[in-house]
Amino acid sequence: KNEVEQSPQNLTAQEGEFITINCSYSVGISALHWLQQHPGGGIVSLFMLSSGKKKHGRLIATINVQEKHSSLHITASHPRDSAVYICAVGFQGAQKLVFGQGTRLTINP
Amino acid sequence: NAGVTQTPKFQVLKTGQSMTLQCAQDMNHEYMSWYRQDPGMGLRLIHYSVGAGITDQGEVPNGYNVSRSTTEDFPLRLLSAAPSQTSVYFCASSLNRGPTVYEQYFGPGTRLTVT
Repeated sequence: KNEVEQSPQNLTAQEGEFITINCSYSVGISALHWLQQHPGGGIVSLFMLSSGKKKHGRLIATINVQEKHSSLHITASHPRDSAVYICAVGFQGAQKLVFGQGTRLTINP
Repeated sequence: NAGVTQTPKFQVLKTGQSMTLQCAQDMNHEYMSWYRQDPGMGLRLIHYSVGAGITDQGEVPNGYNVSRSTTEDFPLRLLSAAPSQTSVYFCASSLNRGPTVYEQYFGPGTRLTVT
């Protein structure tokens, strides 16, 4: 079965801390996506990757295809980073995404 | 560009009623999809389309119909609403380049309540 697991489900941290959110999947993929859902409900795409590492500002996404694992890192976290972060996977041979349950991140000032 | 637009933003239906959720995009994206989001569960794919005239079922298609007569529009029809269809519905679009689902652009969502 094609599954996507995220951890932790909830994460609370202090402003400035380094944040790591993890995503594991079960079988081979064509691409992995990281998304952010704002408290107001809107969803935006942060990264799409199939190998290696990508960086955008304070956000870094990495993927290890041998271990079937990806991480999203936030450096120098800020209260405006508070959101739900969602991992989604496109499994090989399927033109559709399977989503993890999301990680609710709260950054306190 | 307006991006992906959805109407209505909110809707209340009675059990058994039918309605259409509208989705449109102005980015000339071939791939469009509908998801539902329920508390405690991840986004789940209802139906998707890789181009005009082509649609396919996702993970939870029962009770929903779609059609894709143009590149821009991808409406979702609820045939006979049930309380289990109470959810937030998101439409998304992306480029279509072979077997990979590319960066998704999401609409603002429609919050549907079925009483």
